[in-house]
Amino acid sequence: AQSVTQLDSHVSVSEGTPVLLRCNYSSSYSPSLFWYVQHPNKGLQLLLKYTSAATLVKGINGFEAEFKKSETSFHLTKPSAHMSDAAEYFCVVSDGAGNMLTFGGGTRLMVKP
Amino acid sequence: GAGVSQSPRYKVAKRGQDVALRCDPISGHVSLFWYQQALGQGPEFLTYFQNEAQLDKSGLPSDRFFAERPEGSVSTLKIQRTQQEDSAVYLCASSRVGSGELFFGEGSRLTVL
Repeated sequence: AQSVTQLDSHVSVSEGTPVLLRCNYSSSYSPSLFWYVQHPNKGLQLLLKYTSAATLVKGINGFEAEFKKSETSFHLTKPSAHMSDAAEYFCVVSDGAGNMLTFGGGTRLMVKP
Repeated sequence: GAGVSQSPRYKVAKRGQDVALRCDPISGHVSLFWYQQALGQGPEFLTYFQNEAQLDKSGLPSDRFFAERPEGSVSTLKIQRTQQEDSAVYLCASSRVGSGELFFGEGSRLTVL
């Protein structure tokens, strides 16, 4: 069984300040973990993925995430928020075969000018 | 095609009507997934195909929901006798088998009145 908990349903930051979106997971397997972004009326887009290589994963648009097994966490960060980062972000855990994805409830990121 | 294509993008149905939602995956992608995303929530798994074989349909909420992929390419999700609780965005995704990286369509938004 696997599950994902996104600790904040909404996060608001000012443009140019750091972003932190929190995610904790539970998995019976050695997990694969992903962050997806969903802009309004757009399809889900992969930001980055962790598949048991380096624990610090760099993704698109300046985002990165660190896998911490001891804390069962996979938090998403970005040093400086842009207005275009405003969207819904989903933390996702995959089963061992990479077929079944389980999504968290999502975090809506708002960026203030 | 260049991406996953879903149609219709928007569908309004009266309660009790049958609906059919179509997904055209990325050419050559063996795996195809259907997810249901209720308002304000993360996507929830419905069913998974590998080529024409439906390997997992554990997420289908009732026997009113039926999915098929007869030739291993285009897939159709059919909902019979729609109910108001079926109102959601239905997302289709495709991938190379076992890659864990899903490519999502923009979804079909179903509203049942």
